[in-house]
Amino acid sequence: DSGVTQTPKHLITATGQRVTLRCSPRSGDLSVYWYQQSLDQGLQFLIQYYNGEERAKGNILERFSAQQFPDLHSELNLSSLELGDSALYFCASSVDSGNIQYFGAGTRLSVL
Amino acid sequence: AQSVTQLGSHVSVSEGALVLLRCNYSSSVPPYLFWYVQYPNQGLQLLLKYTTGATLVKGINGFEAEFKKSETSFHLTKPSAHMSDAAEYFCAVSDRGSGNTGKLIFGQGTTLQVKP
Repeated sequence: DSGVTQTPKHLITATGQRVTLRCSPRSGDLSVYWYQQSLDQGLQFLIQYYNGEERAKGNILERFSAQQFPDLHSELNLSSLELGDSALYFCASSVDSGNIQYFGAGTRLSVL
Repeated sequence: AQSVTQLGSHVSVSEGALVLLRCNYSSSVPPYLFWYVQYPNQGLQLLLKYTTGATLVKGINGFEAEFKKSETSFHLTKPSAHMSDAAEYFCAVSDRGSGNTGKLIFGQGTTLQVKP
């Protein structure tokens, strides 16, 4: 158990809908990262938050957004969903940027 | 821009045989280097990392990797494969130095099959 909790484990929804993925980092970790794993794109970095503030952005679509709350949990919001958004979404946390990242078990999103 | 190439999307070995998973990186400055393992329906688990110092890094479950700057490589090895090693393995890099966000750039992954 990495100590990083992601909910829900599975999400099935329809095109055009909006979903929210939740991540609770390990106790004491201030940095949260979101990654997307898909068959065609592999594992890609989406966005990083550190202590409530956005620190780095990767290949994140404009339809996607994230935030980190004062209690350090993070949410990834995906809107106007398309079939191609079906993927595994991972959250990882670390004490600070550059430290080892610990990954959650992921949320599997299926867009039908 | 940094990139990571894992040679061979599938590697098959017999139980007890040597495991060699190849990883090459492209970066103007040697980055931090990582190997992660992903078992079915699970998240990624860190096997080992190289940041500085000794270029031969030992990790969990008997794995080790050697950083070779001249070859821009960080290949993963294990002397004797176990059935439980069957999984997908990812090589990853992140920037070093000030301003480092720690974001990981992953290779495409190598699926290791272990035959009895």
